[in-house]
Amino acid sequence: GESVGLHLPTLSVQEGDNSIINCAYSNSASDYFIWYKQESGKGPQFIIDIRSNMDKRQGQRVTVLLNKTVKHLSLQIAATQPGDSAVYFCAEANAGKSTFGDGTTLTVKP
Amino acid sequence: DAGVIQSPRHEVTEMGQEVTLRCKPISGHDYLFWYRQTMMRGLELLIYFNNNVPIDDSGMPEDRFSAKMPNASFSTLKIQPSEPRDSAVYFCASSLGYTQYFGPGTRLTVL
Repeated sequence: GESVGLHLPTLSVQEGDNSIINCAYSNSASDYFIWYKQESGKGPQFIIDIRSNMDKRQGQRVTVLLNKTVKHLSLQIAATQPGDSAVYFCAEANAGKSTFGDGTTLTVKP
Repeated sequence: DAGVIQSPRHEVTEMGQEVTLRCKPISGHDYLFWYRQTMMRGLELLIYFNNNVPIDDSGMPEDRFSAKMPNASFSTLKIQPSEPRDSAVYFCASSLGYTQYFGPGTRLTVL
């Protein structure tokens, strides 16, 4: 069946460093891949998405890379800030429904 | 837009009681989702609707859980009777395309 997983449940980085959060997926037919950020006490919030026919997309301080050959998705955060501390979920979307991974907790050390 | 609205934000009840969680999706969105989040099981999809019609309820744990969407601007998730293992944060989300917009969640505690 479908599954989306993250390689590491936790990641700790120094403020100012770059962060890379990884995700492996299994459904090669997924249309879209989306990264969400969940801060404490809140619901997940959209960060960035990428269509399945693309391999890279950049936003403000964030970049998503998609490698369909190995079914791998990553989120890169440049110059990580304390406000980036949160749980990050990748999700693969098909026909309106999304399958979420387990989440990676990012901790930014001052 | 106010975003997805959920009520109540917190609910504490005793085992055996009926619990009703409410959701108002973003106006114009045609999909509505109910999720449950716990430390042990992560984010679980319970049920989702498209144009007010339930599409997939395979994630609903058991018959004690039911969900309705009587119109495009309102949905409920009901647990009857509630059990301590139902304690979790319940999220409602809505979407028009692939991106889902989540509400703030309802933290349910069943004693």
